Formats: sequence, structure tokens, C-alpha cells
Amino acid sequence: EVQLLESGGDLVQPGGSLRLSCTASGFTFSNYAMTWVRQAPGKGLEWVSATSGSGHSTYYADSVKGRFTISRDNSKNTLYLQMNSLRAEDTAVYYCAKDAKGGDYVRVGAYWGQGTQVTVSS
Amino acid sequence: DIQMTQSPSSLSASVGDRVTITCRASQTISSYLNWYQQKPGKAPKLLIFEASSLQSGVPSRFSGSGSGTDFTLTISSLQPEDFATYYCQQSYTTPGWTFGQGTKVEIK
Repeated sequence: EVQLLESGGDLVQPGGSLRLSCTASGFTFSNYAMTWVRQAPGKGLEWVSATSGSGHSTYYADSVKGRFTISRDNSKNTLYLQMNSLRAEDTAVYYCAKDAKGGDYVRVGAYWGQGTQVTVSS
Repeated sequence: DIQMTQSPSSLSASVGDRVTITCRASQTISSYLNWYQQKPGKAPKLLIFEASSLQSGVPSRFSGSGSGTDFTLTISSLQPEDFATYYCQQSYTTPGWTFGQGTKVEIK
């Protein structure tokens, strides 16, 4: 059974940093691209970042480019999102997701974690 | 950037009603359109992928259609567990995605 478990969410001050983790099980992690999606309170879904199965290719939404870094450790079956220079507008639930098919991109969010809450506030 | 516009933003319906939600892309996205259901406090759940393919385990009362710029999600007979918010998502510009703003289906 595919499982994705996010962790690392917390309350952080504006300008601070946080690292989110997404621990995967039930599939060969290195064969799948992974993606992060967030949802601000009472708002819709926003794609944040994605990475290929190897981790060599990374992609970012304009809203986080230069501040967030996606990475993965395939030996630990874990995806990361390093978030720096956090702003109030980064407050959201952050989800990791994967496709049902392997490959370099996630086209379809077939599997999602339960999400982790990030709150940026002084 | 491709914009996705859903309509309506919300609707009220009764159990047993036929419900239709539309999603329009600002430019052609072929059939790279997926639909999700989200309930409060939960992660999105994939219902339909590639415009019209039903995800495994999803009831057959859900169906999707369309290609190019205009897409539709239909619930043929609304059930109590279907009250939720529905999102469309384009993956034509993968790895980046764009979501519609969501359609909240409420009980009449």
C-alpha cells in the first residue's frame, strides 16, 4: 500500500526557515517523480514544487522560486522541502503527492499525504 | 501561464440530483485535465484523470468529459458522501500544475 507521511510543519516567524519531510512507503521511491502542493486557509490548491525520481531535475512555482528548495534522499525514501525567507502568505497545509505511473514528471496526483501545517506569524 | 476557471463556484443540490461542474482552460490543454474531490481537513482525492478516465475505486456515478479547453465533471446521482469541494487541475504544463478555484457542493 502506498503511503506518504508529511512532517515538519510548525509555527515560524516571518523571515524564518523550516524543512518539511515526506516519508514514502509501499513503492520504489526512486522510480517516481514527486511534487509538493499547498493550500492556504480557506483557499484553493497551489502547486509549489516538483522533482524527478533521481532528484537531478527540480521545478518551482514563481511564488517560491529562490526561497524554497526541493530535494530527496532515495536511500531514506524521503522527500524534502527546505523553506527559507518565509512570509505570512506561505501559511498553508503542505501536501506531497505522486503519480500512479513512474517517470520524470508527476502528471496526476494519484496519491497524497495527509498534509502538514505551516504557520508563518510573529 | 494557463488559467483554469471553474463554474459555478458553489452550488446547492439534493441527494439524487444530477450535478455538472465545468472547467475552462485559457488555452488548449489537450486531455491533460484531472478532477479531485476534497473534504474538510482531508487531502484531495483523485476522481478522474486525463479528462475522462475513472480512477480505480471511484464510483461510476462520477464521469468526466471534454478536451481542448472545455471540460465537465458530472455526478449522475448525488449521494450524501459527495458533498465536498471539487477541483480541476491541468497537467499540460507538467511539471507545473494549475488548479481551478474549486466548486463547493452543498446540501440544499
